[in-house]
Amino acid sequence: DAKTTQPPSMDCAEGRAANLPCNHSTISGNEYVYWYRQIHSQGPQYIIHGLKNNETNEMASLIITEDRKSSTLILPHATLRDTAVYYCISQGAQKLVFGQGTRLTINP
Amino acid sequence: KAGVTQTPRYLIKTRGQQVTLSCSPISGHRSVSWYQQTPGQGLQFLFEYFSETQRNKGNFPGRFSGRQFSNSRSEMNVSTLELGDSALYLCASLNLGGTEAFFGQGTRLTVV
Repeated sequence: DAKTTQPPSMDCAEGRAANLPCNHSTISGNEYVYWYRQIHSQGPQYIIHGLKNNETNEMASLIITEDRKSSTLILPHATLRDTAVYYCISQGAQKLVFGQGTRLTINP
Repeated sequence: KAGVTQTPRYLIKTRGQQVTLSCSPISGHRSVSWYQQTPGQGLQFLFEYFSETQRNKGNFPGRFSGRQFSNSRSEMNVSTLELGDSALYLCASLNLGGTEAFFGQGTRLTVV
């Protein structure tokens, strides 16, 4: 079973920041938090991952709470092409356990 | 460099048949994982191969099997196909650091 909990759906206006929350209260000390997204009918796309420090790359930022029990993925300036299902995963990349994810809809 | 390549993209088979799907990982990657995606069950891990050895396995029946070749290319086989095996089958290759999985576009299998 997935070890993360995400809201099933979210909406965000184009150009605004999209903040996607994830709870992973049972995460182990050596497990990373991964974020992937899947645009309809395509393979999942890696976004970002982190252990305990906040991370930023060209796609997004990842904010992990100090107790590591939750995290937030931030898409700073959402575009229509960011509409997708976003998955938060707290296990190793060798064996990703996907939950149901959050269906993010970016509205014009 | 080229991404993960899966062939074929689409496949239609009848119940009882068997099928073999192919995955070529990103050059230099040695780990290949397979996933099944269905509307009802979502994305589920099948198995992972590293250097020709199965390293991790999900909870699927023995009809689902795989192998990896010395060039890291991988195949998965499903025998005695059932209607419920209709799904998108995704392959992912893992970077050398083991931190990022790169997915192919998948093979959509329809069992009739």
